Amino acid sequence: DVKVTQSSRYLVKRTGEKVFLECVQDMDHENMFWYRQDPGLGLRLIYFSYDVKMKEKGDIPEGYSVSREKKERFSLILESASTNQTSMYLCASSSSSGDYGYTFGSGTRLTVV
Amino acid sequence: QKEVEQNSGPLSVPEGAIASLNCTYSDRGSQSFFWYRQYSGKSPELIMSIYSNGDKEDGRFTAQLNKASQYVSLLIRDSQPSDSATYLCAVKVYDYKLSFGAGTTVTVRA
Repeated sequence: DVKVTQSSRYLVKRTGEKVFLECVQDMDHENMFWYRQDPGLGLRLIYFSYDVKMKEKGDIPEGYSVSREKKERFSLILESASTNQTSMYLCASSSSSGDYGYTFGSGTRLTVV
Repeated sequence: QKEVEQNSGPLSVPEGAIASLNCTYSDRGSQSFFWYRQYSGKSPELIMSIYSNGDKEDGRFTAQLNKASQYVSLLIRDSQPSDSATYLCAVKVYDYKLSFGAGTTVTVRA
């Protein structure tokens, strides 16, 4: 069964901490994405990557950075966590064309206190 | 204008009824369309994809596409309590990028 795996299901961090969210896919997909989802705001794209070491800003990149050193792994970094970054974070991947949609990971519920 | 708009809901239907979800999109050149189901606290799961005008059926789900009207819909026949979820419409807008609607929450009353 093809999978997108996010390393943590629930995470609690303190304000100002540097936070790493990891995502690994086993589908040999070229594209990987990080979204956050908040009630009433829907899915919002933070960053995406279409190839190793390549990245593009999404709609809300401020306060975040990403790393893609290997094709199967895409990391989201919160440089200095703040309470307004408390959210559900979703990783997704797709083929290069995107014609078959995205496959999502199970999500990480991050709480910043 | 938003790229993808869905009927806002929430939608409440009795068990056994048909639930009808609607979605319109703004990019006339879009070619790929998807429906995702998201249970509360879980991640979205792809349940239907459609690429050509007309109907596509998969079990109790039917997706309908009308490119001329820029309209895609999802029908859930014989609705079950397990169908209670938020349904997201997604449209491939360019290259590999999907644009998602805000979602319609469906509640099936037993």
